[in-house]
Amino acid sequence: AQSVTQLGSHVSVSEGALVLLRCNYSSSVPPYLFWYVQYPNQGLQLLLKYTTGATLVKGINGFEAEFKKSETSFHLTKPSAHMSDAAEYFCAVSPFSGGGADGLTFGKGTHLIIQP
Amino acid sequence: SAVISQKPSRDICQRGTSLTIQCQVDSQVTMMFWYRQQPGQSLTLIATANQGSEATYESGFVIDKFPISRPNLTFSTLTVSNMSPEDSSIYLCSVTSREASSYNEQFFGPGTRLTVL
Repeated sequence: AQSVTQLGSHVSVSEGALVLLRCNYSSSVPPYLFWYVQYPNQGLQLLLKYTTGATLVKGINGFEAEFKKSETSFHLTKPSAHMSDAAEYFCAVSPFSGGGADGLTFGKGTHLIIQP
Repeated sequence: SAVISQKPSRDICQRGTSLTIQCQVDSQVTMMFWYRQQPGQSLTLIATANQGSEATYESGFVIDKFPISRPNLTFSTLTVSNMSPEDSSIYLCSVTSREASSYNEQFFGPGTRLTVL
């Protein structure tokens, strides 16, 4: 069975500072990996995904994530935080089975707080 | 990406009653899923809505409590039956597009916020 661990239920950074949200997964084979963002009272929006190929993945709103197989990690970063980045961030994994027949397994989420 | 709508967006219900949530997609999709997000929690998969056949439920979720229909490739409903306050959650549907089905990229609806009194 797969699992996802997000370190830190709350992360607070100053506006303009580096954002680092941590995600580690457990899987027998490298899965597909996703980061979603949820703004207050809204659904989930896909930030970025890793499927195969380049391990550094760029997403929307200046976010990027690096897949590190040796560390079973997929940490999310952004060089300079903006007030609009304040939201809940979820890391998710999907089995490497293809076919889109499986639900996603989500981490518990990290609430990102941006200090002015 | 697919555009997904859910109805109702929110509701307040009395215990013992049932609520049916609708999920409509603007294009044909391969897979549709239903998730629950309890207050302050992450998302948990309830079931996969299969077109033309019975839904596939995850451990801990049963058809009698969460009956699901999917009559075609763009529409699905989730019913929360005999509700109790513990059912207060956000219920979200998600879909996998044909283009993204090989790696299971999912797009989510806006969610239905349910409060049970």
